[in-house]
Amino acid sequence: GNSVTQMEGPVTLSEEAFLTINCTYTATGYPSLFWYVQYPGEGLQLLLKATKADDKGSNKGFEATYRKETTSFHLEKGSVQVSDSAVYFCALIPYNTDKLIFGTGTRLQVFP
Amino acid sequence: EAGVAQSPRYKIIEKRQSVAFWCNPISGHATLYWYQQILGQGPKLLIQFQNNGVVDDSQLPKDRFSAERLKGVDSTLKIQPAKLEDSAVYLCASSSRTGTTEAFFGQGTRLTVV
Repeated sequence: GNSVTQMEGPVTLSEEAFLTINCTYTATGYPSLFWYVQYPGEGLQLLLKATKADDKGSNKGFEATYRKETTSFHLEKGSVQVSDSAVYFCALIPYNTDKLIFGTGTRLQVFP
Repeated sequence: EAGVAQSPRYKIIEKRQSVAFWCNPISGHATLYWYQQILGQGPKLLIQFQNNGVVDDSQLPKDRFSAERLKGVDSTLKIQPAKLEDSAVYLCASSSRTGTTEAFFGQGTRLTVV
C-alpha cells in the first residue's frame, strides 16, 4: 500500500544549525510529495512540494528533493531559526488519485 | 481569498453524546477531506468527497461516524455516540481536482470526550 515514514522527534537544535528531517515513502507509480508544517496553535499549511523524480521543492529556506531511487524526500534547511519550531509532516498523493496520505510528523524545537 | 472555515473550534462532550462539525471549503474546490488527528500522530483520512460524492470512506468508523456534503459545498461530520478515543482534532481540507494540487486546511475542531 501507500505510506510515509518519518524520523521520530523531537529534533532539538540550536539557532543557525543545519536541519535534516528524513522522509521515505512507499507508493506505486510516481506519487506527488509534500511537506506540510503546523506551527503552534495553527492549522496545517503547505511548505513545499515536488511532483516528479529529481524535482526540488523549496520555500522559506527549506528544500527537499524527490529521489525515486531511494524513495525519499528529506527536508533540509541550512540555518534554522527559533521561528521554525513546529511540527513537520511529510505527505504523498499516489499517482492518479487525490488521496493525501501523511506521515506521523516530526517536532522541531529550535533554541536560541 | 477566504480559507477553509471550520466550526466550532473547540467542543467538550460526555461519552455517548453526539456532536457535529461543520466545514466550508474554499470556493470552487471540488475535493473535500475530513481528517482525524490524534495527539502526537499524523492526520488520518476519514472521508474524501469529490463534489457531493464519496471517493473514499474506507477508514471512517461507519457505526458511529457519518458525513455528508450536500450540494457539493459545505460538509458536516457527525459522531454518534462518541467514545473517549474519539478525542482528537478534526481537520477539514479542500483542494482543486488534480492530484498534484496542495490541500488547504482549516484550523480544525478540537474535540474532547470526557
